[in-house]
Amino acid sequence: SQQGEEDPQALSIQEGENATMNCSYKTSINNLQWYRQNSGRGLVHLILIRSNEREKHSGRLRVTLDTSKKSSSLLITASRAADTASYFCATGRGAGNMLTFGGGTRLMVKP
Amino acid sequence: NAGVTQTPKFQVLKTGQSMTLQCAQDMNHEYMSWYRQDPGMGLRLIHYSVGAGITDQGEVPNGYNVSRSTTEDFPLRLLSAAPSQTSVYFCASSYSNSEKLFFGSGTQLSVL
Repeated sequence: SQQGEEDPQALSIQEGENATMNCSYKTSINNLQWYRQNSGRGLVHLILIRSNEREKHSGRLRVTLDTSKKSSSLLITASRAADTASYFCATGRGAGNMLTFGGGTRLMVKP
Repeated sequence: NAGVTQTPKFQVLKTGQSMTLQCAQDMNHEYMSWYRQDPGMGLRLIHYSVGAGITDQGEVPNGYNVSRSTTEDFPLRLLSAAPSQTSVYFCASSYSNSEKLFFGSGTQLSVL
């Protein structure tokens, strides 16, 4: 079973708009990470937020974490066509750096 | 740095055949792991290792073996391939626990 569930499963927006993706999880975590996957390629790490952090920024990315609600959100501001990809949240817990991935959000940014 | 290198990129097997997926990293990472990704889904952890000589099972370990004789290499062995093992396999590494993963480009495996 998947620990994280992304919402929405698919999102289509125009270039310049903001994109928000949500992730919910079920058990306590050490950290939550967001990854991006272009079609047919490996995953690329975007941002990591630890369980004692509430918000983190990286360029056009903003991630929030609410451990009381067991949820996180990824905001991409001023989206570009090149942001078209699938985005996955992954929760880390326990030893071994085991990550549990959600099913992903497929983002399409139309030029 | 090449990062995480996986070979082969594509493989077709017949049911019952065995094979080894290779994974190597040149970043001196202690932690390595194998995931599989089925169409339209997220990744599921097969096996992981926290250092040379140490391996453990993930969420979906049945039908797969791993070993970690060196820090650099973490091969995944399919013992007797089944159609249910048709998937894309990703190897990943990280410096330590609770750190970001670096992924290889994947191996697309089809079992007929």
